Amino acid sequence: QQPVQSPQAVILREGEDAVINCSSSKALYSVHWYRQKHGEAPVFLMILLKGGEQKGHEKISASFNEKKQQSSLYLTASQLSYSGTYFCGTEISGNQFYFGTGTSLTVIP
Amino acid sequence: GAGVSQTPSNKVTEKGKYVELRCDPISGHTALYWYRQSLGQGPEFLIYFQGTGAADDSGLPNDRFFAVRPEGSVSTLKIQRTERGDSAVYLCASSLNRGTINEQFFGPGTRLTVL
Repeated sequence: QQPVQSPQAVILREGEDAVINCSSSKALYSVHWYRQKHGEAPVFLMILLKGGEQKGHEKISASFNEKKQQSSLYLTASQLSYSGTYFCGTEISGNQFYFGTGTSLTVIP
Repeated sequence: GAGVSQTPSNKVTEKGKYVELRCDPISGHTALYWYRQSLGQGPEFLIYFQGTGAADDSGLPNDRFFAVRPEGSVSTLKIQRTERGDSAVYLCASSLNRGTINEQFFGPGTRLTVL
């Protein structure tokens, strides 16, 4: 039931763009995106809900394809501070919440 | 305001011992989650509280794990007869309401090491 993310890891230079994908085999009711830096707790980035509602940061965008059970996170003009591991999180049924396999993002000068 | 706090930050115990991990959520948050995270993995769902009741405990790995939230605020995760495989970072998160449609705020975690 764990969502699968791709790519597993990506290295970017400052200013480059990246897309992180999240795919589930189950119907999704909502998709969250979190970023976790080494040794720290995950930090909220965005929520996408069925029906198109989004809550999140202005500088980060994401899409949610309910039919395909997929979501993508778009990081533009990356900064050094974007480095970390990105997790999607999904509500599949009831109150269970599953985090994805993670994508390690490294931004270099 | 204060965020989610967890105590202790680190806990080292011996195999077979009993441990309690505490989570203080953000005041007013009715939803509370416990997760377990192993190195290189994403957080793994354990249990979800809405108020005082465990709305979903399907993620607890076995009956050695138990969690309570008696007054709808502080929660305690209890692990009996600890095993080496229980070693992980235990994360607590709280949310204003349902944590599946609202942002989850995470605590710093408790690193549990079972020797």
